[in-house]
Amino acid sequence: DIQMTQSPSSLSASLGGKVTITCKASQDINKYIAWYQHKPGKGPRLLIHYTSTLQPGIPSRFSGSGSGRDYSFSISNLEPEDIATYYCLQYDNLFTFGSGTKLEIK
Amino acid sequence: QVQLQQPGAELVRPGASVKLSCKASGYSFTSYWMNWVKQRPGQGLEWIGMIHPSDSETRLNQKFKDKATLTVDKSSSTAYMQLSSPTSEDSAVYYCARDYYGSSPAYWGQGTLVTVSA
Repeated sequence: DIQMTQSPSSLSASLGGKVTITCKASQDINKYIAWYQHKPGKGPRLLIHYTSTLQPGIPSRFSGSGSGRDYSFSISNLEPEDIATYYCLQYDNLFTFGSGTKLEIK
Repeated sequence: QVQLQQPGAELVRPGASVKLSCKASGYSFTSYWMNWVKQRPGQGLEWIGMIHPSDSETRLNQKFKDKATLTVDKSSSTAYMQLSSPTSEDSAVYYCARDYYGSSPAYWGQGTLVTVSA
């Protein structure tokens, strides 16, 4: 099974600022990683798939990069509605979620 | 538009199986994989498995092989997940989610809160 190590588990940033979350896979996942935003009481929202491809309607202040085992996800120009928990998901071999990152605004 | 309807909550007695439903609309039900995901209170997301409605091919997280059974009813465009012999460890929100053109889950239901309690 592929394991995904996501960090940090939580972070706090200022409005207008930038944050970066990383996920490290236990093996090469060939860029098959997606990133989700999850708010309480709702289903997760797919933001990015295949490392860096934005879903339709997702603003460009969300971005992703990486290759091999190492991937990152960034949000720039933080807005209040970005408060949520973010997850990575590998889908190279079945599916494995990262442990999540809770984002708070200072 | 793609919609996945799930009951909001289910109360289950310990040891009594429960069958969760996910009614799909707005797309061709038999063309996309349907995933099931678990989230325990205060915990992260955990992938349970997926089923392709066209032929019921199923792929499971081995952790759930003795716990979850995935089925579909093509006539009603509904996917089901049965949980066997539930315990308190199965108390969680369960989401169904359709894939995005063969890749990661993109369309999600609101989730069903399962409470296992006597």
